[in-house]
Amino acid sequence: EDKVVQSPLSLVVHEGDTVTLNCSYEVTNFRSLLWYKQEKKAPTFLFMLTSSGIEKKSGRLSSILDKKELFSILNITATQTGDSAIYLCAVEARGANNLFFGTGTRLTVIP
Amino acid sequence: DTGVSQDPRHKITKRGQNVTFRCDPISEHNRLYWYRQTLGQGPEFLTYFQNEAQLEKSRLLSDRFSAERPKGSFSTLEIQRTEQGDSAMYLCASSLAQVQGLTPYEQYFGPGTRLTVT
Repeated sequence: EDKVVQSPLSLVVHEGDTVTLNCSYEVTNFRSLLWYKQEKKAPTFLFMLTSSGIEKKSGRLSSILDKKELFSILNITATQTGDSAIYLCAVEARGANNLFFGTGTRLTVIP
Repeated sequence: DTGVSQDPRHKITKRGQNVTFRCDPISEHNRLYWYRQTLGQGPEFLTYFQNEAQLEKSRLLSDRFSAERPKGSFSTLEIQRTEQGDSAMYLCASSLAQVQGLTPYEQYFGPGTRLTVT
């Protein structure tokens, strides 16, 4: 059965800190891994990763995938209070038509 | 604003009542998905449509649940004889259809309908 495990489950940091969120997965016929940010509403899309070793970057956020070790990390540098949210990792398998989500990492950034 | 809209945003109902939710996807997206999210969990897949065809249903989608997308645009999710265990956030997402061999398309989520069954 497909599995996505995120760690840590929750994290509290001070503004300006750098954080690394982890996502490991087991899925048959992997196609893509996605990161979403969820505040008190719908998940908003951050990154889609399909190839190993290619970093995707958007402002202070970046992510990379390791298909050999079956994990991805999401880095946030110079954290701000607006980064406080639940960060969800999801995988998609070839031939499947849905995303399989982990339980998320709750990030709290303290001023 | 992702472009996916859902209505209502909140619904409180008594056990045993029927409820219906609506989702309007991003206009050029031909795939539409329904997910359910409970507290402390990630979204769980319920069903998806490509155009008007419902192509996959999760085991989570009991007989009391039915989804439609009659014209390939908006979709409705109906829950009959609601139970307290149905209390959750119901999320709709849309995407373009995957083209085999090419990079897949990301799903964009709507704001969700939070259902509370008392």
